[in-house]
Amino acid sequence: DAGVIQSPRHEVTEMGQEVTLRCKPISGHNSLFWYRQTMMRGLELLIYFNNNVPIDDSGMPEDRFSAKMPNASFSTLKIQPSEPRDSAVYFCASSFRGSVTEAFFGQGTRLTVV
Amino acid sequence: AQSVTQLDSQVPVFEEAPVELRCNYSSSVSVYLFWYVQYPNQGLQLLLKYLSGSTLVKGINGFEAEFNKSQTSFHLRKPSVHISDTAEYFCAVSDALGGTSYGKLTFGQGTILTVHP
Repeated sequence: DAGVIQSPRHEVTEMGQEVTLRCKPISGHNSLFWYRQTMMRGLELLIYFNNNVPIDDSGMPEDRFSAKMPNASFSTLKIQPSEPRDSAVYFCASSFRGSVTEAFFGQGTRLTVV
Repeated sequence: AQSVTQLDSQVPVFEEAPVELRCNYSSSVSVYLFWYVQYPNQGLQLLLKYLSGSTLVKGINGFEAEFNKSQTSFHLRKPSVHISDTAEYFCAVSDALGGTSYGKLTFGQGTILTVHP
């Protein structure tokens, strides 16, 4: 398996623009997680899905952030409008609730908002 | 809710020396415990995990960790480090409630391990 695939790897955008980050989980996994890594706050969970349904979005910082999982093989994290403080590395991870006893992480998307 | 404290933000060590990276956690429920490693510009890779059973767990690359419930600790150790172990290490917990997902993690702030020749 190719693992969790995220795109793009790097994104530079101007403040106010819409940004969409993409994630393809490992085939067969039914749980998907979006994490954000910053120097100030470390790694924090933004949202997670189980069977394509959002279960816990309490970590989503503001209404400017939204996430979707239209099917089992694809998820997006959208920021609209983007702000410089959104600059971070965003990780996607997947697992199989109940039988896969760890999360597998993608390579991350480094977002820079200027 | 859980919290994780990694007691050292940076640990410098010479090659072939032993190392211990310290992790303490706080939780009102039982937890599962994990150590992940992050190499520069890479994602996180699982080193080892404690779910149940023996409190001493062995992982990849010669690392091991011991779960101490009374001290709420899960320290990571390696008897002899290599240059290639230079990376950032994260301790993480998830709750052990029935039906939970092992990917819903609370992370510590990370420890940067630097191995010098």
